[in-house]
Amino acid sequence: DQQVKQNSPSLSVQEGRISILNCDYTNSMFDYFLWYKKYPAEGPTFLISISSIKDKNEDGRFTVFLNKSAKHLSLHIVPSQPGDSAVYFCAASVGVGNMLTFGGGTRLMVKP
Amino acid sequence: EAQVTQNPRYLITVTGKKLTVTCSQNMNHEYMSWYRQDPGLGLRQIYYSMNVEVTDKGDVPEGYKVSRKEKRNFPLILESPSPNQTSLYFCASSFQAEPEETQYFGPGTRLLVL
Repeated sequence: DQQVKQNSPSLSVQEGRISILNCDYTNSMFDYFLWYKKYPAEGPTFLISISSIKDKNEDGRFTVFLNKSAKHLSLHIVPSQPGDSAVYFCAASVGVGNMLTFGGGTRLMVKP
Repeated sequence: EAQVTQNPRYLITVTGKKLTVTCSQNMNHEYMSWYRQDPGLGLRQIYYSMNVEVTDKGDVPEGYKVSRKEKRNFPLILESPSPNQTSLYFCASSFQAEPEETQYFGPGTRLLVL
């Protein structure tokens, strides 16, 4: 049973608009969450993270929101750019430095 | 340039023929790991290594072996590959202190087992 789920396999957004990628988890012990971005033929790269003591973390155009009671996190990209087109993975761990559990990924397409 | 390299990038083999995928990093990272990526399942950790001669199982270790004789190298060995090991494999390395955020992934090795 997948402990981290990204229920939307793909998302299409117009350039300049907001992209919202969602992620749900079932393990209440998870307290550290990350988003990775992956371009074709490349490995994933770290994008942004959040620990469970926060409910929001912002880095430029990227903001991650965490709703612990709903076991839900989301990544907002504002404004979306064509270069943001990639597969986005959310991941979770119990504490920093422990094994990551990944979601299945969401393919984001930003149309010019 | 800081990087994680994997070889080969693409491999087609047959069931039962032993193979090794190499992984090397030039950043003096203590922590290295192997993942496989399958459609809808994301990345799942196969094995990881905290340092030289220290390895441990991840989520899906069955059918795989690893070794960490040197800090920079972490090969993945499939002693008797089977079709269910057809997948996209990523090696990653990081500093022990902040493994997730400093994690560098290699470009991936696409394996097809016939």
